[in-house]
Amino acid sequence: NAGVMQNPRHLVRRRGQEARLRCSPMKGHSHVYWYRQLPEEGLKFMVYLQKENIIDESGMPKERFSAEFPKEGPSILRIQQVVRGDSAAYFCASSPPNEYEQYFGPGTRLTVT
Amino acid sequence: AQTVTQSQPEMSVQEAETVTLSCTYDTSESDYYLFWYKQPPSRQMILVIRQEAYKQQNATENRFSVNFQKAAKSFSLKISDSQLGDAAMYFCAYLTNTGNQFYFGTGTSLTVIP
Repeated sequence: NAGVMQNPRHLVRRRGQEARLRCSPMKGHSHVYWYRQLPEEGLKFMVYLQKENIIDESGMPKERFSAEFPKEGPSILRIQQVVRGDSAAYFCASSPPNEYEQYFGPGTRLTVT
Repeated sequence: AQTVTQSQPEMSVQEAETVTLSCTYDTSESDYYLFWYKQPPSRQMILVIRQEAYKQQNATENRFSVNFQKAAKSFSLKISDSQLGDAAMYFCAYLTNTGNQFYFGTGTSLTVIP
């Protein structure tokens, strides 16, 4: 059973461009979580999704950030008009229904130049 | 909101010795989960050990053990017989009883001295 997959592993964008980060959960996992890690900090929760539904987006910035988890395909974290402050590592985690443990992917490192 | 505090930004230990990393947390919940994650330079988050709050017995995984003091809201990690491969950032994390989101501490950077 492959682990949580994230791609790309590294992404470089210029200010004002869009960034799309993808996360494929483990097989059988229908819950996806996104976290952001700024330099020298711990991970901060952004959003929790189930298939086709956003359950908790209390950690998402109000503007420019959006997330989806369609019925088919990976979960996408989308950042529009990126700024230098968006440079961070973005981690995805997944869990099966009715289980509390989350399994982390390797992260995507976003650099905004 | 829950908060997790790691008061030791950096720690070092001699190879083969024992080191303890501190973690305290704040919550009003009675049921929750606590974790220690290791993050090497590759940045992959690796689960080291976990503890369910309803269990009084301290969790142990080989050379890793915790001292869970629920009343004091303390959850320290002890690494015995430290190895060079243990060098990494260590994050303490709290998971709500609904399992929706982790709260992470700011991390402790562990150096293992040969």
